Amino acid sequence: GENVEQHPSTLSVQEGDSAVIKCTYSDSASNYFPWYKQELGKRPQLIIDIRSNVGEKKDQRIAVTLNKTAKHFSLHITETQPEDSAVYFCAAPPGETSGSRLTFGEGTQLTVNP
Amino acid sequence: EAQVTQNPRYLITVTGKKLTVTCSQNMNHEYMSWYRQDPGLGLRQIYYSMNVEVTDKGDVPEGYKVSRKEKRNFPLILESPSPNQTSLYFCATRPYWQETQYFGPGTRLLVL
Repeated sequence: GENVEQHPSTLSVQEGDSAVIKCTYSDSASNYFPWYKQELGKRPQLIIDIRSNVGEKKDQRIAVTLNKTAKHFSLHITETQPEDSAVYFCAAPPGETSGSRLTFGEGTQLTVNP
Repeated sequence: EAQVTQNPRYLITVTGKKLTVTCSQNMNHEYMSWYRQDPGLGLRQIYYSMNVEVTDKGDVPEGYKVSRKEKRNFPLILESPSPNQTSLYFCATRPYWQETQYFGPGTRLLVL
């Protein structure tokens, strides 16, 4: 099956700084890589995703990059704000079963200090 | 309003007492799934269903059962709960044509 590792487990930044969270995966056939954000006491919600046929995707202050050769993908948040404080999860499917099954990373607790 | 609902939201029970956590969606989504969330372990998939009467095991199915008799409902059954099943449980759904999963509000379960 798929193995997804996420680093760091905790990340603290000052407001306005950038934050980067990295995930590695094991199955070279994986083709879909979402990122979910979970605020305290809330449900996870998709914030951005990328398919294996592109190397980067941006949506305002957030971006995801994918390196298929090295089997890792990263979440980049620029100009961080206090409301970005949350737990972030990456995920990857085993093989090409995109969306049907997802293996999640352990999560990164991001704290943005005002 | 499009939504995924779970009931109950909070439950305290004792070892061995059968329980069911319900998940219902009104979006006509084909795909439904159950996850458990534990500190430091992220979200782990328990079971998933691609459509009515089609279910399959996820990564941690032991101790759980599911059924998909109707498209809108996907109950999670714990026949004989044990303390190691104390966790936060999420149901998630998505339509077959989209990969984004929509999570329910979560059910916090404590097994004594």
